[in-house]
Amino acid sequence: QKEVEQDPGPLSVPEGAIVSLNCTYSNSAFQYFMWYRQYSRKGPELLMYTYSSGNKEDGRFTAQVDKSSKYISLFIRDSQPSDSATYLCASLNQAGTALIFGKGTTLSVSS
Amino acid sequence: SQTIHQWPATLVQPVGSPLSLECTVEGTSNPNLYWYRQAAGRGLQLLFYSVGIGQISSEVPQNLSASRPQDRQFILSSKKLLLSDSGFYLCAWSVGPYNEQFFGPGTRLTVL
Repeated sequence: QKEVEQDPGPLSVPEGAIVSLNCTYSNSAFQYFMWYRQYSRKGPELLMYTYSSGNKEDGRFTAQVDKSSKYISLFIRDSQPSDSATYLCASLNQAGTALIFGKGTTLSVSS
Repeated sequence: SQTIHQWPATLVQPVGSPLSLECTVEGTSNPNLYWYRQAAGRGLQLLFYSVGIGQISSEVPQNLSASRPQDRQFILSSKKLLLSDSGFYLCAWSVGPYNEQFFGPGTRLTVL
């Protein structure tokens, strides 16, 4: 079992939709989680990070961690065509030395 | 503010040729530095990380090597490239206990 798993999609939604992107992780010791956005042929950019359980909101983006089910989510409200990208979830490993990434979900928002 | 540079942006090399990719970070001191490879459908694979000058940890045994000759410079090398070395190579840096990593623009390597 991969330590961080993510459905690769692709996910296609119309402009204005609410998008839900999800990951699961296997190690209950993981406590620190991040979401990255990667446009085609570019390096990933850090969107949000969360610690332990709960929600964190930043504009149209909300990151949520449910430690009981080992589930990580990113919600995008009022999605825009500019949100079309690949979204990568990541977890800090138990030793605190490296990030473990999911494979990414490709999102397409049509106008 | 901090910036990270990678070069070259694109590289096409024949099998068996050497490789040198460079990464430099500006605006921060003593960062942790990372090399990743991203192949289609395979996600981000951590190749090397460094916590200081001359300190390199290898995550995946292969024909690549890394060096950190200066605090903010990280170099990825190979003596003889393989076809399987093709991919998108990303350098990243981090500071602080939670390891938020910030990525460079990447180098797209094609080995023919």
